[in-house]
Amino acid sequence: DVKVTQSSRYLVKRTGEKVFLECVQDMDHENMFWYRQDPGLGLRLIYFSYDVKMKEKGDIPEGYSVSREKKERFSLILESASTNQTSMYLCASRFPQTGGRYGYTFGSGTRLTVV
Amino acid sequence: AQKVTQAQTEISVVEKEDVTLDCVYETRDTTYYLFWYKQPPSGELVFLIRRNSFDEQNEISGRYSWNFQKSTSSFNFTITASQVVDSAVYFCALSGGSGSARQLTFGSGTQLTVLP
Repeated sequence: DVKVTQSSRYLVKRTGEKVFLECVQDMDHENMFWYRQDPGLGLRLIYFSYDVKMKEKGDIPEGYSVSREKKERFSLILESASTNQTSMYLCASRFPQTGGRYGYTFGSGTRLTVV
Repeated sequence: AQKVTQAQTEISVVEKEDVTLDCVYETRDTTYYLFWYKQPPSGELVFLIRRNSFDEQNEISGRYSWNFQKSTSSFNFTITASQVVDSAVYFCALSGGSGSARQLTFGSGTQLTVLP
């Protein structure tokens, strides 16, 4: 099975700190995604990457950056954490299937609290 | 731009009742994929189904069934004889057919509570 691992389940950080959220997939997938989940808003795309060092902004990139130095690792960076970035963060990887189809697998999420 | 609307924020039913979760989508792609995910209280997203835009056959899997209607841009999900373990947040999602549009666009989710 495809596995996407997020290094932390829970994080508490202080306002102004630089925060790194790590995501690793073990199947050499090209496409990886970072989502933010908030009650009543569903999952919103922050950034995605379609190859090493390649990235594109999603719907809500403000206040975030990403890094993809190796194919298996996609990091989300909060340059200066703020309380409105308190949320659940989910990483996903897209993988090919037969017949030109594809699927997605998600990590278990990182619940970040900024105080 | 893609958009997914789940108008039902919360639904509460009594065990053994049938329940339908609505999903309406917007896309300009001619080829696209629709998904349903379940998120139990543990927080992990559990894949339930994927449907291709060129396949409008309805699908049944045990107590779950899906009704895809291109004419109304809807992809509704029905749980028959609901059980307490079905309590979760359910997300409908859409993915375009090519290029950078292949990211998943999610609806806001429907919180389903099944009461014993």
